[in-house]
Amino acid sequence: KNQVEQSPQSLIILEGKNCTLQCNYTVSPFSNLRWYKQDTGRGPVSLTIMTFSENTKSNGRYTATLDADTKQSSLHITASQLSDSASYICVVSFRSNAGKSTFGDGTTLTVKP
Amino acid sequence: DTAVSQTPKYLVTQMGNDKSIKCEQNLGHDTMYWYKQDSKKFLKIMFSYNNKELIINETVPNRFSPKSPDKAHLNLHINSLELGDSAVYFCASSQRTGRDGYTFGSGTRLTVV
Repeated sequence: KNQVEQSPQSLIILEGKNCTLQCNYTVSPFSNLRWYKQDTGRGPVSLTIMTFSENTKSNGRYTATLDADTKQSSLHITASQLSDSASYICVVSFRSNAGKSTFGDGTTLTVKP
Repeated sequence: DTAVSQTPKYLVTQMGNDKSIKCEQNLGHDTMYWYKQDSKKFLKIMFSYNNKELIINETVPNRFSPKSPDKAHLNLHINSLELGDSAVYFCASSQRTGRDGYTFGSGTRLTVV
């Protein structure tokens, strides 16, 4: 069982609509959580980073939330565009000297015109 | 001025061959990684080097051998290629141990026929 679970596995929405992706984790002790966007044929690119004390962080039309008590994060995309079609990967890092990170399996988002 | 560059971008080869993938980063990062992304798009860590020293070696067949001549380079050599090795291989780098986020290359799509 992955320590970082994402849902849904895939999602199809119409252009202009909003959507929310979920990330639940059991990683402990927690250091930070990042959301990455991976376009087809490209490497993942960081969208947001959230530490233990942060609840919300925005990057343009992307807003990430974090509830460190329930160990849940969400990525909300507003007014979706065709270019939002990609895989979104949640990555949680441990607070330790090793600083290892655990990757979620990703949510594939398809935005249709 | 690409931050993490890997070559080649595409590699098609026959079973049993030996091949190498090269990776270079110009970010001054201390740590470099190899990830494998299978057909389901799950990213799995293979190896991690910190200042030329191997720090993560997941359960990977010993046909895969990473080599880090200096902290800016991490190459991946694969012996006796098998059909199951077909995947996209991503190189990444980070400052320290990944807690500060990863910068990924654009991937090498390996197809073994």
